Amino acid sequence: ETGVTQSPTHLIKTRGQQVTLRCSSQSGHNTVSWYQQALGQGPQFIFQYYREEENGRGNFPPRFSGLQFPNYSSELNVNALELDDSALYLCASSLGSSGAINEQFFGPGTRLTVL
Amino acid sequence: AQRVTQPEKLLSVFKGAPVELKCNYSYSGSPELFWYVQYSRQRLQLLLRHISRESIKGFTADLNKGETSFHLKKPFAQEEDSAMYYCAPPYSYYGNNRLAFGKGNQVVVIP
Repeated sequence: ETGVTQSPTHLIKTRGQQVTLRCSSQSGHNTVSWYQQALGQGPQFIFQYYREEENGRGNFPPRFSGLQFPNYSSELNVNALELDDSALYLCASSLGSSGAINEQFFGPGTRLTVL
Repeated sequence: AQRVTQPEKLLSVFKGAPVELKCNYSYSGSPELFWYVQYSRQRLQLLLRHISRESIKGFTADLNKGETSFHLKKPFAQEEDSAMYYCAPPYSYYGNNRLAFGKGNQVVVIP
């Protein structure tokens, strides 16, 4: 069984640029959730993908977007980067969609720094 | 939106002493609440979930729906319990397989 992987590990961008973060879900999981964790804070829900469709969104602007692929891997895209986007971005995979909440398995995260 | 409160940012306890981490949330229509833990240099992982009613690594969590609290307890802290702990109720009233996290509690167990 392969765990959740994320790439890249670290990334440095400048304001206004665009970034793509990637996540491979755990084998057998069909749901991917993305979280943003600013320094000293808990993870904040960005959005979730279930079977290639967005399945809920947190309080983040539209410049945060994503994709999920047929193999259930996922991308998080952020356009027009701002300094406050500097954070650890976590991907979590799980099984299922609505209703019950299943255990989420987290990746190691991608540390994004915006200068 | 769900609000999660973990009032004590840093908790230092001596080995063998009890530890209690407080968590209050604003609402939950789902019986599922979680505590996640992050040990040093490891990824965030599930510690325990309310619905299973299990004791994991000596930890238990008591759900009080009236007080909307889900406090985590362990009677005798061990050095390996030093970690960051996050309370995680459902993000929305109906659950929907996504979580809201508190700011976390840093627990340091002093030998």
